[in-house]
Amino acid sequence: ILNVEQSPQSLHVQEGDSTNFTCSFPSSNFYALHWYRWETAKSPEALFVMTLNGDEKKKGRISATLNTKEGYSYLYIKGSQPEDSATYLCAPSYAGGTSYGKLTFGQGTILTVHP
Amino acid sequence: DTAVSQTPKYLVTQMGNDKSIKCEQNLGHDTMYWYKQDSKKFLKIMFSYNNKELIINETVPNRFSPKSPDKAHLNLHINSLELGDSAVYFCASSGRVAGELFFGEGSRLTVL
Repeated sequence: ILNVEQSPQSLHVQEGDSTNFTCSFPSSNFYALHWYRWETAKSPEALFVMTLNGDEKKKGRISATLNTKEGYSYLYIKGSQPEDSATYLCAPSYAGGTSYGKLTFGQGTILTVHP
Repeated sequence: DTAVSQTPKYLVTQMGNDKSIKCEQNLGHDTMYWYKQDSKKFLKIMFSYNNKELIINETVPNRFSPKSPDKAHLNLHINSLELGDSAVYFCASSGRVAGELFFGEGSRLTVL
């Protein structure tokens, strides 16, 4: 059973604050790391996929970095807005056999941005 | 036009009954999945089909039987429902980018 940990479990910030949270995962046989954003009453939506050590991806005010050697990824949100409020999920996938394309989701970080 | 649609969205039933949840995707993807959101809110994979062929089958009771009549549909049939089957079930599909899943809105199953 893969252990994917996200921290913190929840986070409250004020509008305009910048914030970041962490995903840690086993690094052996690593293939890719995915971040998803899950708004209440909606379905999870893919944000980023990263595969290489040192990868950095950016979408608007949200960016993510990847360290495959030590098995962690950071997600950063600059100048948080109330519409950023959601649960952010990370999910690594691993190489080999039926592991290909199979994601193991963390429990998520619940972000609430207060106006 | 919804990309991945599941029906029903809500299902309340008695223990011992048999029920199905249907899923359809109009994205032209080859791979479809069923995930279960457990009581601790984790999303856990149950099954994956690629072009109608089962490729991932996690340790799921054999009361759960997926069926893929074509690559746009993946249905989940559950026999002899138990209280512990109460959960939200998510269907998803993926295309060329492995792991980039497109999720349905979920089907909340409540077993009384």
